[in-house]
Formats: sequence, C-alpha cells, structure tokens
Amino acid sequence: DAGVIQSPRHEVTEMGQEVTLRCKPISGHDYLFWYRQTMMRGLELLIYFNNNVPIDDSGMPEDRFSAKMPNASFSTLKIQPSEPRDSAVYFCASSQTSYNYNEQFFGPGTRLTVL
Amino acid sequence: AQSVTQLGSHVSVSEGALVLLRCNYSSSVPPYLFWYVQYPNQGLQLLLKYTSAATLVKGINGFEAEFKKSETSFHLTKPSAHMSDAAEYFCAVTRNAGNMLTFGGGTRLMVKP
Repeated sequence: DAGVIQSPRHEVTEMGQEVTLRCKPISGHDYLFWYRQTMMRGLELLIYFNNNVPIDDSGMPEDRFSAKMPNASFSTLKIQPSEPRDSAVYFCASSQTSYNYNEQFFGPGTRLTVL
Repeated sequence: AQSVTQLGSHVSVSEGALVLLRCNYSSSVPPYLFWYVQYPNQGLQLLLKYTSAATLVKGINGFEAEFKKSETSFHLTKPSAHMSDAAEYFCAVTRNAGNMLTFGGGTRLMVKP
C-alpha cells in the first residue's frame, strides 16, 4: 500500500492567495483527519471526516479555512485568503473503524510558507 | 475527557545510554495508548501501541513501553540510544469516539555522540 499521499510537499505563496492542500487516504479507511503542526502550538486537529462526512470542524481556526471530501479517496484543505500566520506543516491522516484501536496513519505532510 | 502529558519537551542522552520518555494519561475509560515518532521533515509513524493485551509492549527499533494503570503512565524506553533515534516522539490516547486520538505535546530526543 502506498500509504497516505499528500500534495504538494512544499508550498510557498504570498499573503492573500488561495492555497489548496490535497490528501489521498489509504484505501478502505473510513476516517480522515487534517492536522496542523507549528512550533508554538504543536500538533492540532483541524477537522475530521467519517465516510466522507465532516464530523467535527471545531479545530478549524477561522472561516478562511475549509475542507471537503468529495469521495472516499480524496480530500482538500483550502485556505482563502492565506496569511503569514498560516505557515505550518499540514498533515493528513486516515484510519479504519475496526480492530486497530483508532491507529492513525499519517501522510508526509505539506510544508506551507505564506510570505 | 482523555488527555496526555509528556514530561520534558526536550531530552538529551548520550549514544548508548538509556532512553526514557515519559507519558502520563488521564482517561475515564480503559485507554488505548500509542507512541508515534516523527523524524525530521517526515510524518508521524507508529512506534507501538497498547491495546490491553499485554502491559509491556514492544515496538519497532528496539523501543518498548509499559502500561502502568496505578501510575496512569505509559513511558517509552530503549536500553541503548542510537544516533538515528534523534526525533520527536508523541504519546497519544484514544478518545471515546470518532476514531480520534489526543496527542501529547511531544518530546524531542537528542542523541549526543
């Protein structure tokens, strides 16, 4: 299995621009999570989906952030407009409802730099 | 609510020395506990997990952790540190619902030659 795939791996953009981060979960996994990691705040859960439906978006910092999961194999996290304080590493993770006790599998992350 | 506390945001050991990374949890239900490792510029990968089958859990790369209910702890150890162990380590506990995990703040392990 290819694992969780994220693209792009690095993104540099200017303040005010729209940014779209992409994630392909592991096939067969029914949960998908978006996290943000910064030095100051550590690892934060932004939103998660179950069977493509957003369940809890309480971690999304502002209305500038939105996430979608149009099908079981694809999700996007969009920031519009982007700001310098959005600079962070964004991780996608997936898991499967079953015997694995909520074990999550992480992608390699997207390092976002907003100038 | 479930929570995790990792004592020490930075730990430094010499190569060949014992590694001990501390994790304490609080949970209103029997917990499932995890240790993840993050190498520089990579995502988190699972080191080991406790699922109530055995209190001493062995993971990859020679790491192990012991679940102690009386101390609400799940400390990570390795008898002899290697330079390649330098990374950030995260302890996590299962939440009640939604396949969610609560992560600790992380401990950065530095290994000196």
